[in-house]
Amino acid sequence: NAGVTQTPKFQVLKTGQSMTLQCAQDMNHNSMYWYRQDPGMGLRLIYYSASEGTTDKGEVPNGYNVSRLNKREFSLRLESAAPSQTSVYFCASRVQGDTGELFFGEGSRLTVL
Amino acid sequence: QKEVEQDPGPLSVPEGAIVSLNCTYSNSAFQYFMWYRQYSRKGPELLMYTYSSGNKEDGRFTAQVDKSSKYISLFIRDSQPSDSATYLCAMSDYTGGFKTIFGAGTRLFVKA
Repeated sequence: NAGVTQTPKFQVLKTGQSMTLQCAQDMNHNSMYWYRQDPGMGLRLIYYSASEGTTDKGEVPNGYNVSRLNKREFSLRLESAAPSQTSVYFCASRVQGDTGELFFGEGSRLTVL
Repeated sequence: QKEVEQDPGPLSVPEGAIVSLNCTYSNSAFQYFMWYRQYSRKGPELLMYTYSSGNKEDGRFTAQVDKSSKYISLFIRDSQPSDSATYLCAMSDYTGGFKTIFGAGTRLFVKA
């Protein structure tokens, strides 16, 4: 019963460093999402992938890139980390479309110094 | 103005109290309304899901949607310490674009 698995759970970076957050789901879902959660801001969509082979920008895509590696995996890359990217990142998946339950991972806490 | 407004709290109540959590929104195209519960250092989990206006009940939880007022509520009866969490409202429209908007979340503490 893994559901949505994110790695790493915690990471500290220096400004300018790069890193990739990994996400995998075992529920055979078509759609996958990356959100960031900041105090007082709620969950904001960074990028999403409606289906394997497609990706699109969400509300706050600047400074990020994504790769839908296959149906199971959706990664988020920070090419040159900035302190403003300090946040908790959540990967989520859904059967398909934009309605229906979102299943979330446990989050990746990123601090950029 | 944010599309979805939610009082961040914190809200502190004694065990057994009735809790009312609320969100307002500005986009009349929203048709799907959800409440997620998020425990500390965990990901959100779906609690209630409602389509269009009306009420939905599930055990101690009742979700209400008033589209005319652009207002949604979650009521928790006989609140328990295990209900202590952050509650996020969320809503989606059906006009494409894979758009689900979340409120900022309300932190709830239920004291034993």
